[in-house]
Amino acid sequence: DGGITQSPKYLFRKEGQNVTLSCEQNLNHDAMYWYRQDPGQGLRLIYYSQIVNDFQKGDIAEGYSVSREKKESFPLTVTSAQKNPTAFYLCASSIRLDNEQFFGPGTRLTVL
Amino acid sequence: AQRVTQPEKLLSVFKGAPVELKCNYSYSGSPELFWYVQYSRQRLQLLLRHISRESIKGFTADLNKGETSFHLKKPFAQEEDSAMYYCALIAAGNKLTFGGGTRVLVKP
Repeated sequence: DGGITQSPKYLFRKEGQNVTLSCEQNLNHDAMYWYRQDPGQGLRLIYYSQIVNDFQKGDIAEGYSVSREKKESFPLTVTSAQKNPTAFYLCASSIRLDNEQFFGPGTRLTVL
Repeated sequence: AQRVTQPEKLLSVFKGAPVELKCNYSYSGSPELFWYVQYSRQRLQLLLRHISRESIKGFTADLNKGETSFHLKKPFAQEEDSAMYYCALIAAGNKLTFGGGTRVLVKP
């Protein structure tokens, strides 16, 4: 663990507002990922990026957007179009796409 | 496409009892298999990988290609084993695919 940071740890937003979650890694990993974790539903992949300036939709991309302008950073924006944004969000990275992933500590987003 | 199934969402055992978390996968090739664990208030972390064939915190997992399974076992569960466990698979050239997770509760 270590090397992947997410901020903030807790985030509160009003309904209808966009919010951006930060994910940074200093492991020199090419691939990065965003997951959503809900009670009883396990991990669900939102978006992933194999390399800088490239990203792909995961299983539940609707209502989310990402960018990958730098190797170290993969921010996730939760838009107002996301119907149920309150959740625990996990960022991960791996050396390459087909390698084990290392996870950040997570951000708990609550939309009021 | 590859798929990982963890049939139990919740597993409750008493301290000192054996615990086995089931994991089945569907993939026609030779996968790499992993178990990840998430303790309360800690980040998700790798517990063990099948290629290492090692025991971590008393847990072992054997890849059974005939049954396409990778069950996680511990002979004597401890209270500190209470956590969320995910089985995961890497198929050649593809990203990690996670199972739905099993929550383990070890009662005193």
